[in-house]
Amino acid sequence: GDSVTQMEGPVTLSEEACLTINCTYTATGYPSLFWYVQYPGEGLQLLLKATKADDKGSNKGFEATYRKETTSFHLEKGSVQVSDSAVYFCALILNNNAGNMLTFGGGTRLMVKP
Amino acid sequence: DSGVTQTPKHLITATGQRVTLRCSPRSGDLSVYWYQQSLDQGLQFLIQYYNGEERAKGNILERFSAQQFPDLHSELNLSSLELGDSALYFCASSVDLRPDRGGGYTFGSGTRLTVV
Repeated sequence: GDSVTQMEGPVTLSEEACLTINCTYTATGYPSLFWYVQYPGEGLQLLLKATKADDKGSNKGFEATYRKETTSFHLEKGSVQVSDSAVYFCALILNNNAGNMLTFGGGTRLMVKP
Repeated sequence: DSGVTQTPKHLITATGQRVTLRCSPRSGDLSVYWYQQSLDQGLQFLIQYYNGEERAKGNILERFSAQQFPDLHSELNLSSLELGDSALYFCASSVDLRPDRGGGYTFGSGTRLTVV
């Protein structure tokens, strides 16, 4: 079945360091890809998305490019802030007649120290 | 505020009991999804409703059931509760059946269920 694999955390960085969180997927069709962020005590918020190959999603300094050839959607940020500390989830939607639910990776906790 | 409202925010109950979690979707959204987030299972899709009709089922136990009402709010019923049912239960909504073309889903803040 469809699945998403993320690097395990926690990832601990100093402020202004570069961030990469790896995400790869397995899908029988052509999914749309998402990154969601969960701040402590809150629900999931959409961070960015890409709906087709080579699309780049970006938001709040974060970027991810849909790479069909490597089935990847790695999350990157050039300079992290303490306020970026959260859990990040990579996810896909494969729209088909069986439904269009999000399939999530296991989540990666990011801790940014001042 | 995402626009998706879940109540209650916290629930503590004993094993064997039954609880009902409520979700009001964002205004205009017809589709509601329920997810369970636990430490060992991660985020698991439970069930989806669209405009009152069940659309898709995921890893939902037979002890769990859900429905979507004419006003589009949804309820998730959990019965014969076990310690392992302790988790964060999220509701999400989308305007139609193609959240992949839009912004995905909008999530509520969740209901934290603790079974003791």
